[in-house]
Amino acid sequence: GENVEQHPSTLSVQEGDSAVIKCTYSDSASNYFPWYKQELGKRPQLIIDIRSNVGEKKDQRIAVTLNKTAKHFSLHITETQPEDSAVYFCAAREDFGNEKLTFGTGTRLTIIP
Amino acid sequence: GAVVSQHPSWVICKSGTSVKIECRSLDFQATTMFWYRQFPKQSLMLMATSNEGSKATYEQGVEKDKFLINHASLTLSTLTVTSAHPEDSSFYICSARDRIGYTFGSGTRLTVV
Repeated sequence: GENVEQHPSTLSVQEGDSAVIKCTYSDSASNYFPWYKQELGKRPQLIIDIRSNVGEKKDQRIAVTLNKTAKHFSLHITETQPEDSAVYFCAAREDFGNEKLTFGTGTRLTIIP
Repeated sequence: GAVVSQHPSWVICKSGTSVKIECRSLDFQATTMFWYRQFPKQSLMLMATSNEGSKATYEQGVEKDKFLINHASLTLSTLTVTSAHPEDSSFYICSARDRIGYTFGSGTRLTVV
């Protein structure tokens, strides 16, 4: 089955700086890679996703890049703000079966004012 | 957008009792529902996948007789934790496949005393 690794586990950046979180996946058949933001005790919220036929996607301050050959994808947050502080999870979905998501281990992002 | 309603949001029960958690898709039909468990400061771990009208598919290491899943309609899936023990205390979250991705319930904080 799919295995997703995520780094770093914790990340602190100064407000206004950029944050980058990286994930690798094991199953070359995976075709969908969402990123979720989760605040304490709340449900994960989708912030951006990318499909395997695209190399990069951007939505305002958030961007995701995908390297299918290397089987890794990254989340980029620019001009960070205190409200960006949360736990971020990457995930990967296999291209067959029941379309389940496999999540990374999470990154606790802290924005320092 | 798609909404999944999950109840209860929190529950405290005594060891040995059973607890039922419900997830309803409010504005779409969810043929597939995913059930996750999340321990503090950890990632979402898939427990099982429920499919409307058929038996659930459990992940390796998840006891199907302990975590009973029922998906009797296209809008309702339930997870029953039977004979709960303190080690079952966790945050349980459901997720449904919707038209564009995945929608998560708000989660249930289960505490077994």
